[in-house]
Amino acid sequence: NAGVTQTPKFQVLKTGQSMTLQCAQDMNHEYMSWYRQDPGMGLRLIHYSVGAGITDQGEVPNGYNVSRSTTEDFPLRLLSAAPSQTSVYFCASSSTQETQYFGPGTRLLVL
Amino acid sequence: SQQGEEDPQALSIQEGENATMNCSYKTSINNLQWYRQNSGRGLVHLILIRSNEREKHSGRLRVTLDTSKKSSSLLITASRAADTASYFCATGYYSGAGSYQLTFGKGTKLSVIP
Repeated sequence: NAGVTQTPKFQVLKTGQSMTLQCAQDMNHEYMSWYRQDPGMGLRLIHYSVGAGITDQGEVPNGYNVSRSTTEDFPLRLLSAAPSQTSVYFCASSSTQETQYFGPGTRLLVL
Repeated sequence: SQQGEEDPQALSIQEGENATMNCSYKTSINNLQWYRQNSGRGLVHLILIRSNEREKHSGRLRVTLDTSKKSSSLLITASRAADTASYFCATGYYSGAGSYQLTFGKGTKLSVIP
């Protein structure tokens, strides 16, 4: 199993551009989440999903959009990138909501 | 906020010594988890302890939970250079709607010197 995969590994955007961070898992997990990690801030939850077709907001959802059309995929869309969205983004999945399996991360720089 | 706070922020020890990291939190929880993050990598789950448990072991790891003091500790015995990483505690709770929220602390950076 590949586990949780994320693409791209690194991305540079200009302010105002949009992009989609991809996340896929092959463990048939119902629960998937997106976090951002900033220096000195720990991980903060952006959006999560408890199953295909069901998504909800986390702690810091503004500026991000998600959808969950399949069990495997959970893309995160940045609608209009801002420098404050410079961060490392982690996708995670879980079969129980509790123990989370993390992807390798996407490092995003917004200029 | 449920966010856990780890202490110390950074810890440097010699290989073979024990490393102890602490986590404090503010409100009631259902469980508490510890994760490890190697530099530039994703987080890896280490151990989960439920609110009705006081101590749990996994290999060289020992986790304690004191719900009366709202604190947890992670002990790594006989540390190795490969244990060098950041360690995060995460508090978990189920809301009234049954949704589970996991909230991470800021982490302890452990350096194990060979």
